[in-house]
Amino acid sequence: NAGVTQTPKFQVLKTGQSMTLQCAQDMNHEYMSWYRQDPGMGLRLIHYSVGAGITDQGEVPNGYNVSRSTTEDFPLRLLSAAPSQTSVYFCASSPGERRYGYTFGSGTRLTVV
Amino acid sequence: GENVEQHPSTLSVQEGDSAVIKCTYSDSASNYFPWYKQELGKRPQLIIDIRSNVGEKKDQRIAVTLNKTAKHFSLHITETQPEDSAVYFCAASTTGGFKTIFGAGTRLFVKA
Repeated sequence: NAGVTQTPKFQVLKTGQSMTLQCAQDMNHEYMSWYRQDPGMGLRLIHYSVGAGITDQGEVPNGYNVSRSTTEDFPLRLLSAAPSQTSVYFCASSPGERRYGYTFGSGTRLTVV
Repeated sequence: GENVEQHPSTLSVQEGDSAVIKCTYSDSASNYFPWYKQELGKRPQLIIDIRSNVGEKKDQRIAVTLNKTAKHFSLHITETQPEDSAVYFCAASTTGGFKTIFGAGTRLFVKA
């Protein structure tokens, strides 16, 4: 099993550009989430999903969209990149059904200039 | 929504000493409390968790305690080793784990 796979690992965007961060898991996990990590601020929840076709907003959803058309994939779309979105982005999944611990991907380091 | 506060932000101990990290949460409906360890440049990894129907849980040198009345939970690491040096995050969830809110993290240094 590959676990949780995120691509790309690094990305530089210009202000106003859009892009999609990819996340895929091969563990048949029900729950998937996107977090951003900024120095001194821990991990902040952007969006989460409890199954295919079901998504909801987290703590900091503005400027991001998600969809979950399959159990395996949970892409995060930046609509119009801003310097404030410079961060490390982590995707995470968990089995659900009372087994709750997250498995994290290796992260995407995004810089918006 | 849920808010999780974590203290201290930095903790330095001598090898072999104990380390304690404390967290408080705001939503009394929270029922799941995981702890994650993140080494420099790596992804967070789950090290231990506790559910609201349990007051304490141990796994070798680490233990977590939960005080639901005070809305406090803590991580205890005994006999610390240099490889315990990392950032530790507490978290809380009211919904069985999928909407998990994290604390700001504690950077632990274990001096040899």
